[in-house]
Amino acid sequence: GDSVTQMEGPVTLSEEAFLTINCTYTATGYPSLFWYVQYPGEGLQLLLKATKADDKGSNKGFEATYRKETTSFHLEKGSVQVSDSAVYFCALETGRRALTFGSGTRLQVQP
Amino acid sequence: DGGITQSPKYLFRKEGQNVTLSCEQNLNHDAMYWYRQDPGQGLRLIYYSQIVNDFQKGDIAEGYSVSREKKESFPLTVTSAQKNPTAFYLCASSMAGQNEKLFFGSGTQLSVL
Repeated sequence: GDSVTQMEGPVTLSEEAFLTINCTYTATGYPSLFWYVQYPGEGLQLLLKATKADDKGSNKGFEATYRKETTSFHLEKGSVQVSDSAVYFCALETGRRALTFGSGTRLQVQP
Repeated sequence: DGGITQSPKYLFRKEGQNVTLSCEQNLNHDAMYWYRQDPGQGLRLIYYSQIVNDFQKGDIAEGYSVSREKKESFPLTVTSAQKNPTAFYLCASSMAGQNEKLFFGSGTQLSVL
């Protein structure tokens, strides 16, 4: 079945550091890939997405590139801020039913 | 403002009791979903509904029940058969055919007394 594997957290960084959160997937067919963010006490919000190989999704300084050859969709940001502290979820969708989520990675950014 | 509302924010269940979590949306979305979130396990799909009066089991439906009598509402009942109900429950909705773009509620934390 479909699955998403994320790096375990928490990831702790200082402000302005470079961020990478790894995500790999297993899926039948050609999934669409997503990153969602969950701020404390809130539901999830869509951060960015990519629907086909080599697409790059971007939003709020975050980027992720759909790599079919390595089945990966790593999230990156060049300079993190304290306000980026949240839990980040990688997810995939194959058009069959609903999103399949990874386990989430908590990011803590220190001033 | 359009959105998706879950209530209550916190809920406590006694042994052998059924409890119902509310989810209402005014986004005119056709599809609605229930996910369970446990620490370190991410989100797992409990039930989903693509249209009124129809719903399907997700990955962990045992011990749960749902109804979809109205487009706006998708309540989740946690029955006494669910032996480990303590978790954070998230409801979501989406437009028909756009199930990748989910709008989430703010969640309900269910705990067992």
